[in-house]
Amino acid sequence: DTAVSQTPKYLVTQMGNDKSIKCEQNLGHDTMYWYKQDSKKFLKIMFSYNNKELIINETVPNRFSPKSPDKAHLNLHINSLELGDSAVYFCASSPLKGRGGTDTQYFGPGTRLTVL
Amino acid sequence: KNEVEQSPQNLTAQEGEFITINCSYSVGISALHWLQQHPGGGIVSLFMLSSGKKKHGRLIATINIQEKHSSLHITASHPRDSAVYICAVTTRINQFYFGTGTSLTVIP
Repeated sequence: DTAVSQTPKYLVTQMGNDKSIKCEQNLGHDTMYWYKQDSKKFLKIMFSYNNKELIINETVPNRFSPKSPDKAHLNLHINSLELGDSAVYFCASSPLKGRGGTDTQYFGPGTRLTVL
Repeated sequence: KNEVEQSPQNLTAQEGEFITINCSYSVGISALHWLQQHPGGGIVSLFMLSSGKKKHGRLIATINIQEKHSSLHITASHPRDSAVYICAVTTRINQFYFGTGTSLTVIP
């Protein structure tokens, strides 16, 4: 009964490919996030969705597109993968609609993406 | 300069020691978060603060809004506390800023 799950856990792919990472939460939370952690372990927010609506869209390349089919899912699609996209991507969720970062966040286990 | 600065970057302690990790920030915030990242990579939210002090077991987090400073204290440290501790802040316009983390090693 994992709270926030991500698939796959590891993803190794060639430059130029298109890939997706899936995230699901079974906590009934309204807000979901995607974070990127680089090789120096520095975390940076990428996107936040609140009940299927995009509320945070930090400066990330257009090749990254979040998709939220329902409030329990926030998938990350990446087009034309580049070497610099190699990182660990974390999904997270938090309870209350509209309060974004003022709620405790629950993190998924992370997806380690390696672009060759 | 990063909006969130943590110190120290690395910390080694003997089991049982009292540990303090500091976080200073330069933006107006709506909340401050302390996160713990285990050696295996998983991230857990320890505290979310907007004022005062919170305690959970051996962990205590404090924040001084006027001084834009927060501390995370660990009492009676244990090897299982070894992890990276990350300070993060959120602003009223939904901006997120993260510190670079403090790597803690507690030696038995």
